[in-house]
Amino acid sequence: DTGVSQNPRHKITKRGQNVTFRCDPISEHNRLYWYRQTLGQGPEFLTYFQNEAQLEKSRLLSDRFSAERPKGSFSTLEIQRTEQGDSAMYLCASSFLRQGALGANVLTFGAGSRLTVL
Amino acid sequence: AQSVSQHNHHVILSEAASLELGCNYSYGGTVNLFWYVQYPGQHLQLLLKYFSGDPLVKGIKGFEAEFIKSKFSFNLRKPSVQWSDTAEYFCAVTVNTGGFKTIFGAGTRLFVKA
Repeated sequence: DTGVSQNPRHKITKRGQNVTFRCDPISEHNRLYWYRQTLGQGPEFLTYFQNEAQLEKSRLLSDRFSAERPKGSFSTLEIQRTEQGDSAMYLCASSFLRQGALGANVLTFGAGSRLTVL
Repeated sequence: AQSVSQHNHHVILSEAASLELGCNYSYGGTVNLFWYVQYPGQHLQLLLKYFSGDPLVKGIKGFEAEFIKSKFSFNLRKPSVQWSDTAEYFCAVTVNTGGFKTIFGAGTRLFVKA
């Protein structure tokens, strides 16, 4: 297993364009998380999935952001009509925790996808 | 709303000095607590975790943290830092609000002088 994989690693786009990031989690992990990180800040929660179901989405996330995990495996995060304020590192993480189970939800992170909006 | 506060944004220490990084969280329910570390050029990775039991937990590379429930704190400690501990450290809490959402603090950037 190669861990959590994110593509592309870097994306430079012009304001108003759409961008899509892909995350391939660890294969046996049932939970997948998206975070956004800007300079000097910790990862900010965006959304998460348990299998293919999107269970929670941050209220900070505008309607321009959408995430999918169609078959409970890889996930995509799309940003429509990008703005300069969207420039950030987008992190994906995965974990395994059965619903209702007790245990620590340990996240394994990918390297991130850095977005620069000009 | 749930939140995590880290007291120090930047810390500079000499090798062999002791380290303590403060972390407080705001959430009244059951929590899992974590410290993650990001070494230069690497991914975020787990340093240590608290789920239940002994409130003093030990992690990799000689780090430990103590959960004090009454203070909503989970401070990270190391008796003697090394140059290789230079990294950014993030405190995190997982809250059960119907799912398991992990919230991170802003991070503490540690620089250890050789």
